[in-house]
Amino acid sequence: ETGVTQTPRHLVMGMTNKKSLKCEQHLGHNAMYWYKQSAKKPLELMFVYNFKEQTENNSVPSRFSPECPNSSHLFLHLHTLQPEDSALYLCASSRQLAGGSSYNEQFFGPGTRLTVL
Amino acid sequence: AQKVTQAQTEISVVEKEDVTLDCVYETRDTTYYLFWYKQPPSGELVFLIRRNSFDEQNEISGRYSWNFQKSTSSFNFTITASQVVDSAVYFCALSEAEDSNYQLIWGAGTKLIIKP
Repeated sequence: ETGVTQTPRHLVMGMTNKKSLKCEQHLGHNAMYWYKQSAKKPLELMFVYNFKEQTENNSVPSRFSPECPNSSHLFLHLHTLQPEDSALYLCASSRQLAGGSSYNEQFFGPGTRLTVL
Repeated sequence: AQKVTQAQTEISVVEKEDVTLDCVYETRDTTYYLFWYKQPPSGELVFLIRRNSFDEQNEISGRYSWNFQKSTSSFNFTITASQVVDSAVYFCALSEAEDSNYQLIWGAGTKLIIKP
C-alpha cells in the first residue's frame, strides 16, 4: 500500500451505534489530521497529531474521539452521532520539522463517506 | 475572518478553453506557504503545488500554471487547453509559519466543470 488509506470508504450508522474510522499512512510522515467536509462548507480541521501527540482539537464535540497509537495510524471513534454529522471524513498526513518551518503539504486519503440515520 | 478567498463558486467552460481560478489570501506573517489542491468526484484531495512566500516565480507544470503576486495577495491557477478530466473542485490554502500546528487555512473551493 502506498500513500494514505482510509477504511471504510462508506459507513451508514444509526445514532446509537459506535463505530471507528481508520487511517493509515505509508509515507513516513509524523503529523496526521482529521478533517470533516460537509456539503457547501469549507473543509473543517477537527484534530491534529504531531509526533503522536494531539496538538489541536478545534472545538469538536466529544462524540468524536481520536486516537493515534503511532505515527502511521489514526483512528476516529464515533458514538451517539447526530444526522448533521453526516459528511466526508478525510484523513491527511504531512512531514513536519520540529520547532521550525515545515514542508507541510498534506497528503490525503480517499475519505470515508459517513451517513448517520 | 476568512483568510483565503476563492470568489468563484463554480466555473463552466468548454473543453480546450483556458480557465483561471482565483485565490486571494490574507496574512500578517512574512513567511507563509500557499497551496492548491484538486478534489475530483472520487473525493480524494490531490496536492498540486506548494509555494513559499519568498518565491514569487511563476510555476508551470504541463497545462497548469500558477501566478503568485504578493502585491495583490493572490495566487491564481490557470489551466490551459482544459480537458474533461480537469473537472473537479479546486481548493486554495494558506499555512502561516508562526502557526506551530501547521494548520492549513482553506478557501471554500471552486467547482470547475469542463464540458466536452
